[in-house]
This record gives sequence, C-alpha cells and structure tokens, in this order.
Amino acid sequence: RKEVEQDPGPFNVPEGATVAFNCTYSNSASQSFFWYRQDCRKEPKLLMSVYSSGNEDGRFTAQLNRASQYISLLIRDSKLSDSATYLCVVMTNAGKSTFGDGTTLTVKP
Amino acid sequence: DAGVIQSPRHEVTEMGQEVTLRCKPISGHDYLFWYRQTMMRGLELLIYFNNNVPIDDSGMPEDRFSAKMPNASFSTLKIQPSEPRDSAVYFCASRGERTGGNYGYTFGSGTRLTVV
Repeated sequence: RKEVEQDPGPFNVPEGATVAFNCTYSNSASQSFFWYRQDCRKEPKLLMSVYSSGNEDGRFTAQLNRASQYISLLIRDSKLSDSATYLCVVMTNAGKSTFGDGTTLTVKP
Repeated sequence: DAGVIQSPRHEVTEMGQEVTLRCKPISGHDYLFWYRQTMMRGLELLIYFNNNVPIDDSGMPEDRFSAKMPNASFSTLKIQPSEPRDSAVYFCASRGERTGGNYGYTFGSGTRLTVV
C-alpha cells in the first residue's frame, strides 16, 4: 500500500462545476499537509497548506481529518485554468515529504 | 527572489556517460530535496539535506547515484554511469524552517534527462 493515495482520475468537469479530491495517508506521525498543483511539463507549485481546522482560499477549500487520515480539496466554480494535476503531500516532523501520484482535472467549456 | 535554479534544463546523453545535475536553492532555505518524476512512478524522493548534511538517502536507487551539498547555495546530483532507465525529470526543491508554520517546498523548473 502506498503511503499517500489519491484517485488518479481523470476528472472531466464543465466550467462552473464543483469538484472534490480526496487523499489518504498511512503514516499517523504525519504533521503537515499540502496540496500542490502541477501543469503539464512544469514543476509542482504549492497551492495551499492544509490546517486542522480547515482553510479556504478563494474558490479552494482544504480539509484535514486526522482521525481518518485523509485530506480533501474542494474547487468551486471551476475555471478552464484549473485544469492541471493536483498532488497531495504529507510531511513528517523530520521534514520528509511524500507525494501522492496526483489527480488529473480537466475543466471543459 | 530568483527561486530555485536548476541546470541544465535539458540533458541528452549516451548510456554509460556521467551526468551531473545542479541546483541552487533559495537563499536562507535550510532544506534541499532531490526528486525524480516519471509517468510510471510519479514523484520519488531521492535524497534530502538539512543544513548541507544528507538526512535521508534511502530513495537513491543505487550506487550509480550520488548527491552532494558542499555549501548552502549549491547541490549536485550525479549519475555514473547513466542508463536509459534513468531518463526522467529531476527536480530540486528547497524549504525554509519557520517556527510554528506550515511551510511548503519551492521547486526548480527541473532537468529533463534523456539517456539513449
């Protein structure tokens, strides 16, 4: 079993749709959590950190459930420019991060 | 801030040749990471450094791979001898420690390595 698991998708949604991605992790010692976005043939870029209380950044909402060891990302009113691969990242206190394989999103007109 | 700088951007080499990838982290960041990305295996952590000291190299695939960080502003990843299965995009990333904060990585643009 992988340390970090994501549904690979692809998710194909129309503009304006709401889409949610989930990610599960197996290391209960994990302390920090992130969502990254990666465009085709580009480097991953930090989208947002995930806090225990949940956090929102515009159309994006991230949530963490430590008891069930999963994190989620919700995108509301999706735009064409949201098309990308979304990577879930889990970090231990030692600073070591494990990336999920990513979920591919395509937003269509 | 120029971000994390990697060179070269692209490298094509013949099997058996030595390949050296270079990385300059963001000034002040004390963690540096080397990742490899392929379609089949996704993003794999190869090795990471804290304050120039290698902390975990368990992801280095075999003895043909070595990494160094002689100072806070420079790191290299070397493959000798290279093999076609080493073809991948190699990313360097850096991170700064911030007390009490969640602090993600900043990635370089990557080196796309092709071994023929």
